[in-house]
Amino acid sequence: GAVVSQHPSRVICKSGTSVKIECRSLDFQATTMFWYRQFPKQSLMLMATSNEGSKATYEQGVEKDKFLINHASLTLSTLTVTSAHPEDSSFYICSARGDTIYYGYTFGSGTRLTVV
Amino acid sequence: LAKTTQPISMDSYEGQEVNITCSHNNIATNDYITWYQQFPSQGPRFIIQGYKTKVTNEVASLFIPADRKSSTLSLPRVSLSDTAVYYCLVGQTDSWGKLQFGAGTQVVVTP
Repeated sequence: GAVVSQHPSRVICKSGTSVKIECRSLDFQATTMFWYRQFPKQSLMLMATSNEGSKATYEQGVEKDKFLINHASLTLSTLTVTSAHPEDSSFYICSARGDTIYYGYTFGSGTRLTVV
Repeated sequence: LAKTTQPISMDSYEGQEVNITCSHNNIATNDYITWYQQFPSQGPRFIIQGYKTKVTNEVASLFIPADRKSSTLSLPRVSLSDTAVYYCLVGQTDSWGKLQFGAGTQVVVTP
């Protein structure tokens, strides 16, 4: 089945630094990837839609200059949290769809970001 | 994507059947119903998907009435490892639409 690999699984960084999270589709080509953020005891909140070879589309209220998304190939999308602050601490999850009919989205295992 | 409504939480004992009903009154003709399961600190996992009537796989069953305004996920003989949040989503799978998650249902299974 379709597998999405997300790395790292957890990261701790200092306030003011940047962190990059990778999302890879291992056995299929993902023309579209999605990035979510999830705070404790809450549901997943869609941050942005990443399309291969074009700019990401951000949801309302998500700062595109803070959350940089790059989808340079059909198997890799990256989310960079720039100038991270403690309030950016959260669980970040990516999801991917291939370019063929597939009856569900495949999700990565998530990245726990802690900003200290 | 159609809006969905689910119970916030459900408790069950091991070995029992758990049924979670999701309301989606505004479901469109081309919309499919998909359920995901999420364990703490993990990404959601696809469980089952259906369009109408009944769908069954090795994990669960999905019952969809004729009007398709609701659906029920049935987990047979739950175990402690079924403790998770279950999300019901409604949308087209042949479009490139976004998946927007509702609140989900926290299922807690106790011995």
